[in-house]
Amino acid sequence: SQQGEEDPQALSIQEGENATMNCSYKTSINNLQWYRQNSGRGLVHLILIRSNEREKHSGRLRVTLDTSKKSSSLLITASRAADTASYFCATDAGSSGSEKLVFGKGTKLTVNP
Amino acid sequence: NAGVMQNPRHLVRRRGQEARLRCSPMKGHSHVYWYRQLPEEGLKFMVYLQKENIIDESGMPKERFSAEFPKEGPSILRIQQVVRGDSAAYFCASSRTRPSGEQFFGPGTRLTVL
Repeated sequence: SQQGEEDPQALSIQEGENATMNCSYKTSINNLQWYRQNSGRGLVHLILIRSNEREKHSGRLRVTLDTSKKSSSLLITASRAADTASYFCATDAGSSGSEKLVFGKGTKLTVNP
Repeated sequence: NAGVMQNPRHLVRRRGQEARLRCSPMKGHSHVYWYRQLPEEGLKFMVYLQKENIIDESGMPKERFSAEFPKEGPSILRIQQVVRGDSAAYFCASSRTRPSGEQFFGPGTRLTVL
Protein backbone atom coordinates (compact mmCIF):
# COMPACT_ATOMS: atom_id res chain seq x y z
CA SER A 1 0.00 0.00 0.00
CA GLN A 2 1.25 3.46 -0.76
CA GLN A 3 2.08 5.92 1.96
CA GLY A 4 2.18 9.64 1.52
CA GLU A 5 -0.41 10.42 -1.11
CA GLU A 6 -0.62 14.10 -1.84
CA ASP A 7 -3.56 16.06 -3.08
CA PRO A 8 -4.27 17.89 -5.18
CA GLN A 9 -2.11 16.42 -7.94
CA ALA A 10 -1.77 19.86 -9.49
CA LEU A 11 -2.42 23.36 -8.18
CA SER A 12 -2.24 26.65 -10.04
CA ILE A 13 -2.43 29.96 -8.18
CA GLN A 14 -1.51 33.62 -8.59
CA GLU A 15 1.51 35.16 -6.97
CA GLY A 16 0.69 36.40 -3.49
CA GLU A 17 -1.95 33.78 -2.83
CA ASN A 18 -1.55 30.97 -0.33
CA ALA A 19 -1.05 27.37 -1.47
CA THR A 20 -2.20 24.40 0.58
CA MET A 21 -1.19 20.84 -0.17
CA ASN A 22 -2.34 17.78 1.71
CA CYS A 23 -0.79 14.42 2.37
CA SER A 24 -2.37 11.25 3.70
CA TYR A 25 -0.61 8.12 4.83
CA LYS A 26 -1.62 4.69 5.99
CA THR A 27 0.65 3.31 8.69
CA SER A 28 2.17 4.67 11.88
CA ILE A 29 5.13 7.00 11.49
CA ASN A 30 7.98 8.48 13.48
CA ASN A 31 8.11 11.63 11.39
CA LEU A 32 6.87 13.19 8.18
CA GLN A 33 8.93 15.35 5.86
CA TRP A 34 8.13 17.69 3.01
CA TYR A 35 10.44 18.12 0.04
CA ARG A 36 10.44 20.38 -3.00
CA GLN A 37 11.68 19.37 -6.42
CA ASN A 38 12.19 21.79 -9.25
CA SER A 39 11.73 20.33 -12.71
CA GLY A 40 14.59 17.99 -13.57
CA ARG A 41 16.41 18.65 -10.32
CA GLY A 42 17.09 16.95 -7.01
CA LEU A 43 15.02 17.23 -3.85
CA VAL A 44 15.32 20.05 -1.38
CA HIS A 45 14.36 19.30 2.21
CA LEU A 46 11.80 21.80 3.49
CA ILE A 47 10.65 20.71 6.90
CA LEU A 48 10.42 17.68 9.19
CA ILE A 49 7.63 17.23 11.71
CA ARG A 50 7.77 14.50 14.32
CA SER A 51 4.82 12.35 15.28
CA ASN A 52 4.47 14.10 18.66
CA GLU A 53 4.29 17.55 17.04
CA ARG A 54 1.13 19.11 15.67
CA GLU A 55 2.40 22.19 13.87
CA LYS A 56 5.68 23.59 12.69
CA HIS A 57 6.71 26.80 10.97
CA SER A 58 9.67 27.71 8.81
CA GLY A 59 9.60 31.09 7.12
CA ARG A 60 6.58 31.15 4.80
CA LEU A 61 5.95 27.44 5.37
CA ARG A 62 3.53 26.00 7.87
CA VAL A 63 3.12 22.26 8.32
CA THR A 64 0.48 20.53 10.37
CA LEU A 65 0.25 16.90 11.35
CA ASP A 66 -2.83 15.03 12.52
CA THR A 67 -1.81 11.52 13.49
CA SER A 68 -5.40 10.53 14.33
CA LYS A 69 -6.39 11.22 10.71
CA LYS A 70 -3.01 10.17 9.34
CA SER A 71 -2.72 13.40 7.41
CA SER A 72 -0.49 16.42 7.03
CA SER A 73 -0.79 19.73 5.25
CA LEU A 74 1.79 22.12 3.85
CA LEU A 75 0.83 25.77 3.60
CA ILE A 76 2.94 28.22 1.63
CA THR A 77 1.91 31.78 2.36
CA ALA A 78 2.34 34.75 0.04
CA SER A 79 3.49 32.51 -2.80
CA ARG A 80 6.08 33.61 -5.35
CA ALA A 81 6.77 32.50 -8.90
CA ALA A 82 9.95 30.86 -7.57
CA ASP A 83 7.78 28.50 -5.48
CA THR A 84 6.74 26.76 -8.71
CA ALA A 85 7.84 23.16 -8.21
CA SER A 86 6.60 19.72 -7.23
CA TYR A 87 6.09 19.11 -3.53
CA PHE A 88 6.36 15.68 -1.96
CA CYS A 89 5.60 14.39 1.48
CA ALA A 90 7.64 11.47 2.74
CA THR A 91 7.08 9.27 5.73
CA ASP A 92 9.45 6.92 7.44
CA ALA A 93 8.48 3.31 7.82
CA GLY A 94 7.71 3.74 11.50
CA SER A 95 9.39 0.50 12.50
CA SER A 96 12.85 0.16 13.93
CA GLY A 97 15.61 -1.01 11.67
CA SER A 98 14.38 0.66 8.52
CA GLU A 99 15.17 4.23 7.63
CA LYS A 100 13.57 4.29 4.21
CA LEU A 101 11.30 7.14 3.24
CA VAL A 102 8.07 6.47 1.39
CA PHE A 103 7.09 9.22 -1.02
CA GLY A 104 3.80 10.14 -2.61
CA LYS A 105 3.44 11.16 -6.24
CA GLY A 106 3.58 14.84 -5.34
CA THR A 107 1.64 18.01 -5.94
CA LYS A 108 2.70 20.08 -8.90
CA LEU A 109 2.41 23.73 -7.90
CA THR A 110 2.40 26.52 -10.48
CA VAL A 111 2.55 30.09 -9.24
CA ASN A 112 1.65 32.53 -11.98
CA PRO A 113 3.27 35.97 -11.86
CA ASN B 1 30.41 22.10 3.26
CA ALA B 2 29.62 20.15 0.11
CA GLY B 3 26.29 18.42 -0.13
CA VAL B 4 25.63 14.93 -1.42
CA MET B 5 27.51 14.41 -4.66
CA GLN B 6 26.40 12.14 -7.44
CA ASN B 7 28.06 11.32 -10.71
CA PRO B 8 27.59 11.16 -13.49
CA ARG B 9 24.64 13.54 -13.72
CA HIS B 10 23.56 12.00 -17.00
CA LEU B 11 24.32 8.52 -18.23
CA VAL B 12 23.37 6.95 -21.55
CA ARG B 13 23.65 3.21 -22.03
CA ARG B 14 22.58 0.75 -24.69
CA ARG B 15 20.52 -2.26 -23.74
CA GLY B 16 22.70 -4.98 -22.26
CA GLN B 17 25.43 -2.66 -20.99
CA GLU B 18 26.28 -1.96 -17.37
CA ALA B 19 25.51 1.28 -15.53
CA ARG B 20 27.50 2.39 -12.53
CA LEU B 21 26.18 5.28 -10.44
CA ARG B 22 28.24 6.89 -7.72
CA CYS B 23 27.26 8.72 -4.58
CA SER B 24 29.44 10.53 -2.06
CA PRO B 25 27.49 11.34 1.11
CA MET B 26 27.80 14.56 3.01
CA LYS B 27 30.81 14.83 5.29
CA GLY B 28 30.16 13.07 8.55
CA HIS B 29 27.22 11.07 7.20
CA SER B 30 27.48 7.31 7.43
CA HIS B 31 24.03 6.35 6.13
CA VAL B 32 23.28 6.21 2.41
CA TYR B 33 19.99 5.58 0.65
CA TRP B 34 19.20 5.06 -3.04
CA TYR B 35 15.86 5.97 -4.60
CA ARG B 36 14.52 5.72 -8.14
CA GLN B 37 12.12 8.17 -9.74
CA LEU B 38 10.16 7.48 -12.89
CA PRO B 39 8.73 10.44 -14.86
CA GLU B 40 5.82 12.15 -13.11
CA GLU B 41 6.20 9.83 -10.12
CA GLY B 42 7.45 10.14 -6.58
CA LEU B 43 10.67 8.54 -5.41
CA LYS B 44 10.71 4.82 -4.66
CA PHE B 45 13.12 3.46 -2.06
CA MET B 46 15.66 0.94 -3.30
CA VAL B 47 18.32 0.30 -0.68
CA TYR B 48 19.76 1.60 2.60
CA LEU B 49 23.42 1.09 3.41
CA GLN B 50 25.90 1.92 6.09
CA LYS B 51 29.62 1.55 5.67
CA GLU B 52 30.29 -1.97 4.38
CA ASN B 53 26.77 -3.13 5.25
CA ILE B 54 23.46 -3.39 3.44
CA ILE B 55 20.78 -2.68 6.02
CA ASP B 56 17.59 -2.78 3.94
CA GLU B 57 17.41 -3.79 0.29
CA SER B 58 13.68 -4.43 0.19
CA GLY B 59 13.22 -2.04 -2.75
CA MET B 60 15.92 -3.51 -4.95
CA PRO B 61 14.91 -5.64 -7.94
CA LYS B 62 16.03 -9.20 -7.31
CA GLU B 63 18.20 -9.42 -10.41
CA ARG B 64 20.73 -7.16 -12.15
CA PHE B 65 20.82 -4.52 -9.38
CA SER B 66 23.41 -4.33 -6.64
CA ALA B 67 24.71 -1.69 -4.26
CA GLU B 68 27.71 -1.24 -2.05
CA PHE B 69 29.15 1.32 0.33
CA PRO B 70 32.78 0.39 0.93
CA LYS B 71 34.89 1.51 3.84
CA GLU B 72 36.69 3.94 1.56
CA GLY B 73 35.14 5.71 -1.40
CA PRO B 74 31.64 6.43 -2.64
CA SER B 75 28.57 4.25 -2.61
CA ILE B 76 27.96 2.52 -5.93
CA LEU B 77 24.66 1.47 -7.46
CA ARG B 78 25.33 -1.03 -10.23
CA ILE B 79 22.84 -2.11 -12.86
CA GLN B 80 23.89 -4.97 -15.07
CA GLN B 81 22.47 -5.71 -18.52
CA VAL B 82 20.32 -2.58 -18.53
CA VAL B 83 16.90 -2.59 -20.18
CA ARG B 84 14.75 0.32 -21.36
CA GLY B 85 12.63 0.09 -18.22
CA ASP B 86 15.68 1.04 -16.14
CA SER B 87 15.56 4.55 -17.60
CA ALA B 88 14.86 6.82 -14.65
CA ALA B 89 16.41 9.34 -12.30
CA TYR B 90 18.36 7.72 -9.49
CA PHE B 91 18.79 9.74 -6.33
CA CYS B 92 21.10 9.17 -3.45
CA ALA B 93 20.49 10.58 0.03
CA SER B 94 22.56 10.56 3.18
CA SER B 95 21.93 11.11 6.86
CA ARG B 96 24.18 11.54 9.85
CA THR B 97 22.83 9.13 12.42
CA ARG B 98 19.76 7.14 13.25
CA PRO B 99 17.13 8.19 13.89
CA SER B 100 17.84 11.65 12.56
CA GLY B 101 15.02 11.37 10.08
CA GLU B 102 16.35 14.08 7.84
CA GLN B 103 17.84 12.81 4.62
CA PHE B 104 19.78 15.11 2.32
CA PHE B 105 19.49 14.36 -1.37
CA GLY B 106 21.97 14.61 -4.19
CA PRO B 107 21.15 16.07 -7.61
CA GLY B 108 20.48 12.65 -9.10
CA THR B 109 21.77 10.66 -12.05
CA ARG B 110 19.50 10.51 -15.06
CA LEU B 111 19.93 7.16 -16.78
CA THR B 112 18.72 6.76 -20.33
CA VAL B 113 18.77 3.31 -21.89
CA LEU B 114 18.65 3.30 -25.68
